[in-house]
Amino acid sequence: DTEVTQTPKHLVMGMTNKKSLKCEQHMGHRAMYWYKQKAKKPPELMFVYSYEKLSINESVPSRFSPECPNSSLLNLHLHALQPEDSALYLCASSQETGLAGNTIYFGEGSWLTVV
Amino acid sequence: GENVEQHPSTLSVQEGDSAVIKCTYSDSASNYFPWYKQELGKGPQLIIDIRSNVGEKKDQRIAVTLNKTAKHFSLHITETQPEDSAVYFCAPTKGAAGNKLTFGGGTRVLVKP
Repeated sequence: DTEVTQTPKHLVMGMTNKKSLKCEQHMGHRAMYWYKQKAKKPPELMFVYSYEKLSINESVPSRFSPECPNSSLLNLHLHALQPEDSALYLCASSQETGLAGNTIYFGEGSWLTVV
Repeated sequence: GENVEQHPSTLSVQEGDSAVIKCTYSDSASNYFPWYKQELGKGPQLIIDIRSNVGEKKDQRIAVTLNKTAKHFSLHITETQPEDSAVYFCAPTKGAAGNKLTFGGGTRVLVKP
């Protein structure tokens, strides 16, 4: 069983709505990630947080806003999304960044549909 | 950036047979080579990994082999079982990039009973 917990598992939102995806881990990891995965495609990195600070933003549109309130929690705030943003959003964590070979643990994802 | 290719994109095998997936990468500085398995409706899970100072690693029915000169590594699954049916991703990484994984396109494996 994954130790990265994501809520909600499914979310349907309109293009004018504001919603949030939540992620939690209790493994003491100091790096957390958001990935986006479209159907039949590999995951694509969106954001990386290291020690609660945003370290990587892969040129993600501002309608996606990440937040790391503490070392265990990671949020992704969604506003004014487009239908093409519909995808599986995966949260992940690892002990640290900057060390190849640091196992990354993924959650089961939040399925987002924008209507 | 890293250019990663996986072959084949789909693989159908009979239960009990072996399966091999190859991952080719472009960045010679890559030094960590994981394989992830993604079952339907779930997130990717690490199943095996290898570092650049090792040529082969085995864990029960799965193994990974690395050819750094040719810049490719492969996943080997022996005695396949229906529960091996999933999508498999490689994600070669270099230390300087930390955990900025670049996934291959994925291989959909179907094990027929």
